[in-house]
Amino acid sequence: DVKVTQSSRYLVKRTGEKVFLECVQDMDHENMFWYRQDPGLGLRLIYFSYDVKMKEKGDIPEGYSVSREKKERFSLILESASTNQTSMYLCASTFSGRAPNEQFFGPGTRLTVL
Amino acid sequence: QKEVEQDPGPLSVPEGAIVSLNCTYSNSAFQYFMWYRQYSRKGPELLMYTYSSGNKEDGRFTAQVDKSSKYISLFIRDSQPSDSATYLCARMDSSYKLIFGSGTRLLVRP
Repeated sequence: DVKVTQSSRYLVKRTGEKVFLECVQDMDHENMFWYRQDPGLGLRLIYFSYDVKMKEKGDIPEGYSVSREKKERFSLILESASTNQTSMYLCASTFSGRAPNEQFFGPGTRLTVL
Repeated sequence: QKEVEQDPGPLSVPEGAIVSLNCTYSNSAFQYFMWYRQYSRKGPELLMYTYSSGNKEDGRFTAQVDKSSKYISLFIRDSQPSDSATYLCARMDSSYKLIFGSGTRLLVRP
């Protein structure tokens, strides 16, 4: 059974704090993704990674960075959290190969920035 | 214009009704389309996918793509309260990325 886990379900941080969100998958997937989900806007891609130490910007990378030092782990970093980064953050992973490639999602981290 | 447009709902139906969920897309470059279901406080899970035009059926669920009108549909027959969730349509691009619609919240009343 594929499992994508995220380090926290709920997180409350203050403006200006550095925030780390961690994601771990256990299926040896090459590709990993970070999304944020907001009402009326759906899921928007922040960053993704095709391999260890590789990263690509998604549609809304501003204010975020990522790190992928190991294949199973993909971290999202908010360098200086702001209130407009209050959102649900979802991590996903998928294998590389012939499409279609199902993305498997973690349960999400609901981040509140005060 | 967003690449994938979806009516956010909410859509409220009685148990046993046929549900129709719809999306439109604007980019025809790649032709895999997916439907994800997301229960409250959970991550999305893949429900079905289709390639290009045509129908695909899986139990009470049917996914349909109309390439000429760039329309994606999901039909749920004999809807159940357990079908209450947010349904997300998505288009896959050539690099395994998914472009999601905003999601439609469905409530099936007992």
